[in-house]
Amino acid sequence: AQKVTQAQTEISVVEKEDVTLDCVYETRDTTYYLFWYKQPPSGELVFLIRRNSFDEQNEISGRYSWNFQKSTSSFNFTITASQVVDSAVYFCALSTLLWDRDDKIIFGKGTRLHILP
Amino acid sequence: NAGVTQTPKFRVLKTGQSMTLLCAQDMNHEYMYWYRQDPGMGLRLIHYSVGEGTTAKGEVPDGYNVSRLKKQNFLLGLESAAPSQTSVYFCASSSPGTGVSGNTIYFGEGSWLTVV
Repeated sequence: AQKVTQAQTEISVVEKEDVTLDCVYETRDTTYYLFWYKQPPSGELVFLIRRNSFDEQNEISGRYSWNFQKSTSSFNFTITASQVVDSAVYFCALSTLLWDRDDKIIFGKGTRLHILP
Repeated sequence: NAGVTQTPKFRVLKTGQSMTLLCAQDMNHEYMYWYRQDPGMGLRLIHYSVGEGTTAKGEVPDGYNVSRLKKQNFLLGLESAAPSQTSVYFCASSSPGTGVSGNTIYFGEGSWLTVV
């Protein structure tokens, strides 16, 4: 069965520090997608990034960067020079392309990130 | 630029009452979902639909029914609300495929439901 593990339940860092959110996944599929979503205190779920299983290039978007390593089944998310506005719950997710299974899209339980001023 | 819209945003129900949550998407997505989010439980899939007129059970379907009569709408019904159904409900949609946004789930803003 597919699984997404976000071992860090809650993290607190001081503003301007760098922070990495871990995501480890399990799947028997060779083709799949990985995602990160942000849920700020206002409650909505905001899509941040999608990465397919054939693309192991790291991605950088401003202060955000993502490190995808198939060898360790990890898709970690780093925020550089964190800001208070980064305080949110972050979810990692895994999607298969096979739609005859109930576990086609699996979310981790989330990491609550507190950025302290 | 509406995306996924849910109504109502907030509702308080008495035990045993019924209600319907409405979801509409304007992105022409084939797939639609209903999730619930509870503290410490993450997002759990209630029901989903892979196309107009089709629905399927997710991880926690008991106590809920759904219908997808039109491609853009996905309704979630609670026939007899119970306190255990107090939660935040999220509707979402996506399209299959490997295109730019293929398989990416887009969420509505959430509906806060309290059953007393």
